[in-house]
Amino acid sequence: AQSVAQPEDQVNVAEGNPLTVKCTYSVSGNPYLFWYVQYPNRGLQFLLKYITGDNLVKGSYGFEAEFNKSQTSFHLKKPSALVSDSALYFCAVRFGRTGANNLFFGTGTRLTVIP
Amino acid sequence: NAGVTQTPKFRILKIGQSMTLQCTQDMNHNYMYWYRQDPGMGLKLIYYSVGAGITDKGEVPNGYNVSRSTTEDFPLRLELAAPSQTSVYFCASSYSGTSGGNEQFFGPGTRLTVL
Repeated sequence: AQSVAQPEDQVNVAEGNPLTVKCTYSVSGNPYLFWYVQYPNRGLQFLLKYITGDNLVKGSYGFEAEFNKSQTSFHLKKPSALVSDSALYFCAVRFGRTGANNLFFGTGTRLTVIP
Repeated sequence: NAGVTQTPKFRILKIGQSMTLQCTQDMNHNYMYWYRQDPGMGLKLIYYSVGAGITDKGEVPNGYNVSRSTTEDFPLRLELAAPSQTSVYFCASSYSGTSGGNEQFFGPGTRLTVL
């Protein structure tokens, strides 16, 4: 069965420092993995995805994520955190029959960037 | 493009009342989805649709109904509201296609409280 785990409810990082938000997954077959961000009182916004190809995926707002098949991980990273990056981050994996694009979401990680 | 729009933004219902949450997208997406977001629980898929006239259950469909008479609209119906349905509801849409890796676009959400 497909699942995704975000082991940290909360991540705090100082402005200018690198940040990592962790995600591990369990799927049968090749995984389709996504990161979304949610700002207060807003819907989710797409950041990046891994479908196939390069293990390092670059996305919006300077974020990137590294797909690691042996560790079944897809951690979100950014070299230098901004206060405006403070938000709720969700990792997701596609599940369901081909073509439906249904997503199974992790429970979310709240990122706080401290000025 | 307005993207995905949802109405209302907020609603308070009494136990046993019914209501319809509206969702419209103007991106000509075939796929549409309804999620609920509970604190600390991530997003759970309620129903989805792969095209007009086609709907299917997600992870948590009990207590809800949907219809898809047009490509643009995907309303969610609560027939007998219960306190357990207090949540934030998000509608989303995505392109169809054979790659299966198309990201979803989310509406701003409807905050529903059942008392």
